[in-house]
Amino acid sequence: GEQVEQRPPHLSVREGDSAIIICTYTDSATAYFSWYKQEAGAGLQLLMSVLSNVDRKEEQGLTVLLNKKDKRLSLNLTAAHPGDSAVYFCAVSASSGSWQLIFGSGTQLTVMP
Amino acid sequence: EAAVTQSPRNKVAVTGGKVTLSCNQTNNHNNMYWYRQDTGHGLRLIHYSYGAGSTEKGDIPDGYKASRPSQENFSLILELATPSQTSVYFCASGDPGTGGGTEVFFGKGTRLTVV
Repeated sequence: GEQVEQRPPHLSVREGDSAIIICTYTDSATAYFSWYKQEAGAGLQLLMSVLSNVDRKEEQGLTVLLNKKDKRLSLNLTAAHPGDSAVYFCAVSASSGSWQLIFGSGTQLTVMP
Repeated sequence: EAAVTQSPRNKVAVTGGKVTLSCNQTNNHNNMYWYRQDTGHGLRLIHYSYGAGSTEKGDIPDGYKASRPSQENFSLILELATPSQTSVYFCASGDPGTGGGTEVFFGKGTRLTVV
């Protein structure tokens, strides 16, 4: 079945710096890719999602890149601020079936003032 | 706004006891999911449902049952709770979008401690 690896598990950056989180997946049939943010004590909030026909998507200081050849998905937070401190998860799913999401193991991002 | 409500938010149970976690969604989604979250594992799918009356096994169903009596409600049942089931449980709902993919909405989680 699909395997998703996420790195790094912990990431600390200074305010204003970029933060990059990477996920790799194994199933070439994977069709849907998403990033979630989890703040302390809260549920998961969808940040961005892309389909497999999209290589790059930018929204509100976030950039998602999809490299299907290398089966790699990345999230880039440009100009991070302390409010971005949270745990970030990638999640992927195939194009059929239950649309169940397979999650990465998460990245704890800390943005220091 | 899409809403998924879980109850209780916190639960302490004794080993061998029965635990029921409840979830209600007002999104009118067909699909609902139960995940557990443990450090180092991300979220793992326990059970899911395609609609009222349907329950399907996810990746880690052992020790859990699920019930979907209606479109809105999806319960996770631990018949004989064990300390290894201490975790944070998330319910979610979501349906495939018209353009492909699916946006999944999560509840705030239930922290279960089995002593």
